Amino acid sequence: EVQLVQSGAEVKKPGESLKISCKGSGYTFTSYWIGWVRQMPGKGLEWMGIIYPADSDTRYSPSFQGQVTISADKSITTAYLQWSSLKASDTAIYYCARIYGDYVKFDYWGQGTLVTVSS
Amino acid sequence: QSVLTQPPSVSAAPGQKVTISCSGSSSNIGNNYVSWYQQLPGTAPKLLIYDNKKRPSGIPDRFSGSKSGTSATLGITGLQTGDEADYYCGTWDSSLSAGVFGTGTKVTVL
Repeated sequence: EVQLVQSGAEVKKPGESLKISCKGSGYTFTSYWIGWVRQMPGKGLEWMGIIYPADSDTRYSPSFQGQVTISADKSITTAYLQWSSLKASDTAIYYCARIYGDYVKFDYWGQGTLVTVSS
Repeated sequence: QSVLTQPPSVSAAPGQKVTISCSGSSSNIGNNYVSWYQQLPGTAPKLLIYDNKKRPSGIPDRFSGSKSGTSATLGITGLQTGDEADYYCGTWDSSLSAGVFGTGTKVTVL
């Protein structure tokens, strides 16, 4: 069974750093791209970027380029999303999802990680 | 703001049909496949339709997708209370070199 299990909710202060994770299982982790999607409170879905764990090839949406870093450790079948300096506007639920085929076909999703940034 | 436009809400009585439009341009819908997602309250999105009109295993044929030019449409027939959710279209945008989602549509069963 394909599963993506994300790390737990986080509460951080502005300016702090953060790295959240997404562990894949039940499939060959290095054969599929993994993507990250943001959902701000009460808002829609936003495509942030994707990574191919086999070689760490990464693509970012222009809206998120330079704002976050996507990485992966194929030895432990885990993808990451990190911030070096959080802002209040980063408060959102972040989903990871496996990509099947083209870059917007997310067939399996993690449960989401709520990140709250507040002073 | 999203480059794909959807109506904010649609509604119908149980058993009826609703359609949800997703309007884009030649840089996205016009030249790329469209996917559709269902997001039930408090849950992660779920893939409903991919490659414009294909359904993943387990998705009932009450859900259908189509594409014409720079617009795509999701149809739901035999509406059920369990279909109350937010629905999003998604595709690749060749100009942005990034994926994009629609603005989202809330389906209400009256």
